[in-house]
Amino acid sequence: KQEVTQIPAALSVPEGENLVLNCSFTDSAIYNLQWFRQDPGKGLTSLLLIQSSQREQTSGRLNASLDKSSGRSTLYIAASQPGDSATYLCAVKDSLFNAGNMLTFGGGTRLMVKP
Amino acid sequence: DTEVTQTPKHLVMGMTNKKSLKCEQHMGHRAMYWYKQKAKKPPELMFVYSYEKLSINESVPSRFSPECPNSSLLNLHLHALQPEDSALYLCASSQGARQPQHFGDGTRLSIL
Repeated sequence: KQEVTQIPAALSVPEGENLVLNCSFTDSAIYNLQWFRQDPGKGLTSLLLIQSSQREQTSGRLNASLDKSSGRSTLYIAASQPGDSATYLCAVKDSLFNAGNMLTFGGGTRLMVKP
Repeated sequence: DTEVTQTPKHLVMGMTNKKSLKCEQHMGHRAMYWYKQKAKKPPELMFVYSYEKLSINESVPSRFSPECPNSSLLNLHLHALQPEDSALYLCASSQGARQPQHFGDGTRLSIL
C-alpha cells in the first residue's frame, strides 16, 4: 500500500527566504504527483502536477521536482512571501492499473512566512 | 473562487436528521470525488464516480450515500450521522486520470 510522507510537518521562515518542502513515497510505480495548497478552512488549490515521465514542473515562483526511482519530490518556493503561508500537501496517483483515480496524500507541511 | 461549487458551506445537524451535500462543476469533467478531512489531517477518499457510475467506495459506512444524477452534479446524502463524522467534506473533479483534480471549498459539517 502506498504511503506518502512530508517533512517537515511545520516550517516558519522570514519573508524573502527560498525554501524546500519534501515529499517521499514508498511505491515508485506512480502515475503522477500533485502538489496542493490549502488555506485554513478552505479547499485544496492545485499548484503543480508532474507526470511520472517528467522531472520537474514550474509555475511562477514554484518549482516541483520528481525523482521516481528514489521515491521523492520537492517543492521549491523562491522569495517567500507572507501570502504563501498555508498548508502544502503532496498527493500521489498510483499506476492506472491500481486503484483507479485514487490520490494518496501526505500529512502536509504547515508553512508560515513571517513579515 | 473555485470552479467546483459546494453547498452549503456550513451545516449543523443532529444525529437523527437527514441532509444532503451538493457539489457542482461545469468544466465537463467526467470523474467526481468525495473526500472527508478531519482537522490537521490530509483528505481521505470516500467515493469516486467515473462517467456517472460509482467506481470506488472506500468502505464508507452506509449512513453516507452518494448520488450522481448527471455529469455535473454530485450529492452526498447523510442520515443518522455520529459526532465523529464532524469534518470538512470536500468534492473534487477531474477530466481523467492524467489531469489534476480540482477541489471545491468544502462543506464544514458539525454533528450535535
